Amino acid sequence: NAGVTQTPKFRVLKTGQSMTLLCAQDMNHEYMYWYRQDPGMGLRLIHYSVGEGTTAKGEVPDGYNVSRLKKQNFLLGLESAAPSQTSVYFCASSYDRGNQPQHFGDGTRLSIL
Amino acid sequence: RKEVEQDPGPFNVPEGATVAFNCTYSNSASQSFFWYRQDCRKEPKLLMSVYSSGNEDGRFTAQLNRASQYISLLIRDSKLSDSATYLCVGMNTGFQKLVFGTGTRLLVSP
Repeated sequence: NAGVTQTPKFRVLKTGQSMTLLCAQDMNHEYMYWYRQDPGMGLRLIHYSVGEGTTAKGEVPDGYNVSRLKKQNFLLGLESAAPSQTSVYFCASSYDRGNQPQHFGDGTRLSIL
Repeated sequence: RKEVEQDPGPFNVPEGATVAFNCTYSNSASQSFFWYRQDCRKEPKLLMSVYSSGNEDGRFTAQLNRASQYISLLIRDSKLSDSATYLCVGMNTGFQKLVFGTGTRLLVSP
């Protein structure tokens, strides 16, 4: 099992460019999440999805959009990248509500110049 | 005040030592707690869940004190491979929103 797979692993963008980060999970999980991790800040939730076709805002949603067209995929889009969005992005998934931990992908390192 | 707070460390300990980390949380609505381990430049990985009754997994023991709103992690007989950042994580009621502490860094030396 691949678990949670993120693509790309690394990317450098110029300010104003757009891009999409892809997260795919093969565990049939209902819930999927996008986080960003910055030094001294811990992981912060950007957006999440509780099932196919649903999305919701997390703690730091501004500047990002998401889509969950298929259960196994959760896309994170940056419409107009800004240097403040330089970060490490992690996708995670979990089976359902309740005391279920989340499984993380190995991250995308994004630099905005 | 952060919802989940941890001492960032680093905790420097020799191999074989016992080390304990504490974590406090401010949201009494938090129902479930976890310890995750994160190696440098890697993704967080679940270490163990934390139960009110306390739970043990090999050299690791986790404890939850709801009255005082803190979670602890005890590592016995530290190994070099235990060197990592340990994230204290709370899960709020309702949907599965995890709230992460900023992590405690552990360095185990020979």
